Amino acid sequence: QKEVEQNSGPLSVPEGAIASLNCTYSDRGSQSFFWYRQYSGKSPELIMFIYSNGDKEDGRFTAQLNKASQYVSLLIRDSQPSDSATYLCAATAGGTSYGKLTFGQGTILTVHP
Amino acid sequence: NAGVMQNPRHLVRRRGQEARLRCSPMKGHSHVYWYRQLPEEGLKFMVYLQKENIIDESGMPKERFSAEFPKEGPSILRIQQVVRGDSAAYFCASSPPGTGSGNTIYFGEGSWLTVV
Repeated sequence: QKEVEQNSGPLSVPEGAIASLNCTYSDRGSQSFFWYRQYSGKSPELIMFIYSNGDKEDGRFTAQLNKASQYVSLLIRDSQPSDSATYLCAATAGGTSYGKLTFGQGTILTVHP
Repeated sequence: NAGVMQNPRHLVRRRGQEARLRCSPMKGHSHVYWYRQLPEEGLKFMVYLQKENIIDESGMPKERFSAEFPKEGPSILRIQQVVRGDSAAYFCASSPPGTGSGNTIYFGEGSWLTVV
């Protein structure tokens, strides 16, 4: 069973701080990795995707990928209360060329004023 | 993600009834995925369809569940003889033809099924 595991949380950070979310995956065939944000009762919203080792930055968000360690992370700088949500890490299933994603359980992030 | 249309948004069924969930992909998209999110659990892949073809149904329960994506009309996820354990959020996603990686997948708003 190929898995994606996230730090269990919940994670609470003060407004303006950096939130660090972590994820490991077991399927060495996974090629692309994603971070989604999901508010309660809503659908997943794509924040970042990454497929090359290293860092990828988009505004306040930075995704990091280390394929050797099978590790993906998401840093949120200058956290805002509106960032409070569940963050889902996902990986494409190895051996597939389509959007079959394996999701982690999610990490609940709370940003308090 | 507003482009992927799902209906109904909320559905209540009694045990033993049938549930039909519909999904219209974004314009120009011909690939449809269904995911299920059980309470307190993560999203799980169910099935991947293209027009008139089921490509990967490895995540579908063996019984009572079926999916289709006809040449005309929306994709349908059908659950027969629903049980309380089917209560979940069902998300449809779509992607354009010719793409592989999931970065072009867009999720719909979901259909929340409650079985009473």
